[in-house]
Amino acid sequence: GAVVSQHPSRVICKSGTSVKIECRSLDFQATTMFWYRQFPKQSLMLMATSNEGSKATYEQGVEKDKFLINHASLTLSTLTVTSAHPEDSSFYICSARDPQKQAHTDTQYFGPGTRLTVL
Amino acid sequence: SQQGEEDPQALSIQEGENATMNCSYKTSINNLQWYRQNSGRGLVHLILIRSNEREKHSGRLRVTLDTSKKSSSLLITASRAADTASYFCATARETSGSRLTFGEGTQLTVNP
Repeated sequence: GAVVSQHPSRVICKSGTSVKIECRSLDFQATTMFWYRQFPKQSLMLMATSNEGSKATYEQGVEKDKFLINHASLTLSTLTVTSAHPEDSSFYICSARDPQKQAHTDTQYFGPGTRLTVL
Repeated sequence: SQQGEEDPQALSIQEGENATMNCSYKTSINNLQWYRQNSGRGLVHLILIRSNEREKHSGRLRVTLDTSKKSSSLLITASRAADTASYFCATARETSGSRLTFGEGTQLTVNP
């Protein structure tokens, strides 16, 4: 099956610093990737849709200047949390679609997530 | 806000029993998907059911979809301790392409 990786799996940083999270599709080319955020014991909230070669589309209420998304290649999207604060501590999960699998184009393959802790 | 609502929020059963989780949504959908998440991990896709389908099976999983009631159910038969996880439904709306809206999830605990 399709594999999506994330790096790092967990990161601890000081308040005010920036953190970059990578999302890679390992065995397929993903024109579209998605970034989600999940607080403990809660559901996933879509933050933004990352499109290769163009600007990301952010969901309402998500600050695009705080959560910078870059999708520079068909296998890599990055999420940078700028000037992180304790309230940004969360589990960040990416997903990707495999456009080659036409029968299941709405299926998303999820990465293992990145646990961010801001001190 | 989350479109999907799931019940129960938590379910605890004994190994071998069946587990049923329900999901309701509010808008028209293209398809509905069920995902599983082990604690602190990413999501694993379980099954997708399209809006023109009523029932789908995959191994011990059975999913139903009632578009008139805007609801879906996930049945896990003959549960195992390894089925312990959180289960989420997610809807793909007709006009949103692949964007998924997740339900609140059901935490299933299967006791050995």
